[in-house]
Amino acid sequence: GAGVSQSPSNKVTEKGKDVELRCDPISGHTALYWYRQSLGQGLEFLIYFQGNSAPDKSGLPSDRFSAERTGGSVSTLTIQRTQQEDSAVYLCASSSGQATDTQYFGPGTRLTVL
Amino acid sequence: KQEVTQIPAALSVPEGENLVLNCSFTDSAIYNLQWFRQDPGKGLTSLLLIQSSQREQTSGRLNASLDKSSGRSTLYIAASQPGDSATYLCAVRPADSWGKLQFGAGTQVVVTP
Repeated sequence: GAGVSQSPSNKVTEKGKDVELRCDPISGHTALYWYRQSLGQGLEFLIYFQGNSAPDKSGLPSDRFSAERTGGSVSTLTIQRTQQEDSAVYLCASSSGQATDTQYFGPGTRLTVL
Repeated sequence: KQEVTQIPAALSVPEGENLVLNCSFTDSAIYNLQWFRQDPGKGLTSLLLIQSSQREQTSGRLNASLDKSSGRSTLYIAASQPGDSATYLCAVRPADSWGKLQFGAGTQVVVTP
């Protein structure tokens, strides 16, 4: 029924703290994607999950970033020891898993690191 | 490496005029190209998806064309309205890595009443 949802919508944290961002994809979608949108960098790919395959982590900017997808549904993006340059909007998308299909995006989580 | 460029970066038109937004990409090996709309503080809304084998897609006042060989796509919005004011992004889906959309920087559109 509903579209992609993300929580929290806003997160303010202090430098050095860990944060977790959550994504609930559209029911039945096997593929899930994380992107980051920051001023001056545009929209950049972070990671994607497709079914039970190993995730493509090639876009993660450092080993402080990790993501998991439990039960093939909900995903959590974790940023450890946050830095000010991590401040951005983190967008999640899902799709049916075919190369030809549309990616549907959530509203994003705005992360501010003080 | 795939590069996606959108020109112009910003556009202001009076209500009723047609909008023409351009997107170019350097590597023609793509599965498809997608146009999105983003309102301030919001996520992305998919507008049109053109498969690599297609030349155009239409939805209401929107029409998008794709010339894969020359690496270009154009989004036309007919009879613009103030509600069309938003940032428009194009994204290509590379054939060698279909999970990753590669985005242009966007065109910010303002339609004045």
